[in-house]
Amino acid sequence: GDSVTQMEGPVTLSEEAFLTINCTYTATGYPSLFWYVQYPGEGLQLLLKATKADDKGSNKGFEATYRKETTSFHLEKGSVQVSDSAVYFCALRLILTGGGNKLTFGTGTQLKVEL
Amino acid sequence: DVKVTQSSRYLVKRTGEKVFLECVQDMDHENMFWYRQDPGLGLRLIYFSYDVKMKEKGDIPEGYSVSREKKERFSLILESASTNQTSMYLCASSPDSLQDYGYTFGSGTRLTVV
Repeated sequence: GDSVTQMEGPVTLSEEAFLTINCTYTATGYPSLFWYVQYPGEGLQLLLKATKADDKGSNKGFEATYRKETTSFHLEKGSVQVSDSAVYFCALRLILTGGGNKLTFGTGTQLKVEL
Repeated sequence: DVKVTQSSRYLVKRTGEKVFLECVQDMDHENMFWYRQDPGLGLRLIYFSYDVKMKEKGDIPEGYSVSREKKERFSLILESASTNQTSMYLCASSPDSLQDYGYTFGSGTRLTVV
């Protein structure tokens, strides 16, 4: 079945450090890929997305490139801030043959950024 | 600003009770979803609906049912609540499935079954 695997957390970094959160996927067909972020006490927010191979999604200094050859969509940021502390979820989206669509999520990676 | 609103932020129910979780969206989205979020397991899809009165089972539908009588409202029903249904429940919506949009999530309902 379709699945998403993320690196386990928590990831603890100092402010201004470089961030990588690994994400790989297994899917039949050609999924779209997403990163969502969940700040404490809130629901999930879309961070960025990519819809086809070699697309790069970017937002708020975060980037991820859709790599079909390695089935990966790693999240990166060059310089993290304390305000980036949150849980990050990688997800894939497939269109269903019977209609509709669904997102399949990874288990989430908690990021803690310290001064 | 577009919104998905979940009726309760926190809920405590007794084992065996019938529980209703309500979700309303104001974006005229066709698709609506219910997920549960548990530590170490991420988000798991319970049920979804891509049209009024339509429903599809997700990955973990056992013990749950849903209702979608109007486009803007999607209800999750726990027929007889059990302690293993203690969790955070997240509702989400998205527009037409042929378009490539992300989902909009509600803030969640933290349900405790005692």
